Amino acid sequence: QVQLVESGGGLVKPGGSLRLSCAGSGFTFSDYYMSWIRQAPGKGLEWVSYISSSGTTIYYADSVKGRFTISRDNAKNSLHLQMSSLRAEDTAVYYCARWSSGYYQFDYWGQGTLVTVSS
Amino acid sequence: QSALTQPASVSGSPGQSITISCTGTSSDVGSYNLVSWYQQHPGKAPKLMIYEGSERPSGVSNRFSGSKSGNTASLTISGLQAEDEADYYCCSYAGVYVFGTGTKVTVL
Repeated sequence: QVQLVESGGGLVKPGGSLRLSCAGSGFTFSDYYMSWIRQAPGKGLEWVSYISSSGTTIYYADSVKGRFTISRDNAKNSLHLQMSSLRAEDTAVYYCARWSSGYYQFDYWGQGTLVTVSS
Repeated sequence: QSALTQPASVSGSPGQSITISCTGTSSDVGSYNLVSWYQQHPGKAPKLMIYEGSERPSGVSNRFSGSKSGNTASLTISGLQAEDEADYYCCSYAGVYVFGTGTKVTVL
């Protein structure tokens, strides 16, 4: 069955860096676009970034542009989010989710990993 | 990239129907039939309920239906059940993604 498992969350100080990972299994990872979506405590969902199946097309939300970098390793069925210059407002549960080219919905989500930015 | 507008809360009694609206602009909801809806129970990951405005994924109850008119998409839950109590989010694709503000559905 399709599984997406995030890891790498934790407590980091403002201005610090953190790298999140998402391991995919149960499907052909290289066939799917992947996204990161976050949810601040008690708040709604916010799309963060997506990367095409080949990794050649990447987009970011304005709120993270220039600070976050999305990447993927299709050989290892993994997705990453390198986060730097972290701010308190980046505190959230980060989900990875997949979608197919031509089908613009997130059909499977991971369980999320919590990132807390605090001194 | 402004969030789509949803009512903060909607409630209904078991068996009733409720509708959640999702208002965007002519640049997102109005331009594409690419609105999806997600259900999220507390502490859980979101679950896809509707895609491309009105399509239901396999396994999703036919009590859930979607529609769109102009810049507003809607999710209707008919025959409301206790298990439907959750947060619901719309999402539109327009080159990038934008989510709605979220609606808490309460079953009275």
